[in-house]
Amino acid sequence: GESVGLHLPTLSVQEGDNSIINCAYSNSASDYFIWYKQESGKGPQFIIDIRSNMDKRQGQRVTVLLNKTVKHLSLQIAATQPGDSAVYFCAEIPNTGGFKTIFGAGTRLFVKA
Amino acid sequence: ETGVTQTPRHLVMGMTNKKSLKCEQHLGHNAMYWYKQSAKKPLELMFVYNFKEQTENNSVPSRFSPECPNSSHLFLHLHTLQPEDSALYLCAATRGNMNTEAFFGQGTRLTVV
Repeated sequence: GESVGLHLPTLSVQEGDNSIINCAYSNSASDYFIWYKQESGKGPQFIIDIRSNMDKRQGQRVTVLLNKTVKHLSLQIAATQPGDSAVYFCAEIPNTGGFKTIFGAGTRLFVKA
Repeated sequence: ETGVTQTPRHLVMGMTNKKSLKCEQHLGHNAMYWYKQSAKKPLELMFVYNFKEQTENNSVPSRFSPECPNSSHLFLHLHTLQPEDSALYLCAATRGNMNTEAFFGQGTRLTVV
């Protein structure tokens, strides 16, 4: 069946280090992927997206990598800061149309000062 | 500020009460969603409205009743809830059935006692 999941439920990193959050998906027909960040007491917020015709996309301090061969998505955060502490979700939008986005369970990132 | 506002932020209700959650979006988007977020579980899609018409009802119990009077407002009417319905309820908006990101409200933290 369709699923989007995360390899690690929690990740703890030292301030200034790079963080890598991973996600596996199972629907090879999906063509759009998003990473969201959810801080405590807030709703999820868009960080970065990538379409299936790409394998890498960079934003400000964040990079998303897509490996369609193994159905794997990752979010890299450079020079992690305390403000990056949050839960990160990957999301998959199937290309079958409709409004269903499949969310992963989330990875909690702790940044140690 | 995401352009999606939810009220109330917190709600405690008894199992025999009737209450409503409200969502308003200022983005001009035409699709609005209700999601349920429980601890350690992925976001669960409940309802989708596109141009005020319900397009998805994800097998949600009838004790949850959505209402969408226009493209900017979305309500979730609650009655005779169960303790297991306690969760964070998130409203989101997107530009319809397109591969774009969702804009989430801050959620309503619901506790059923």
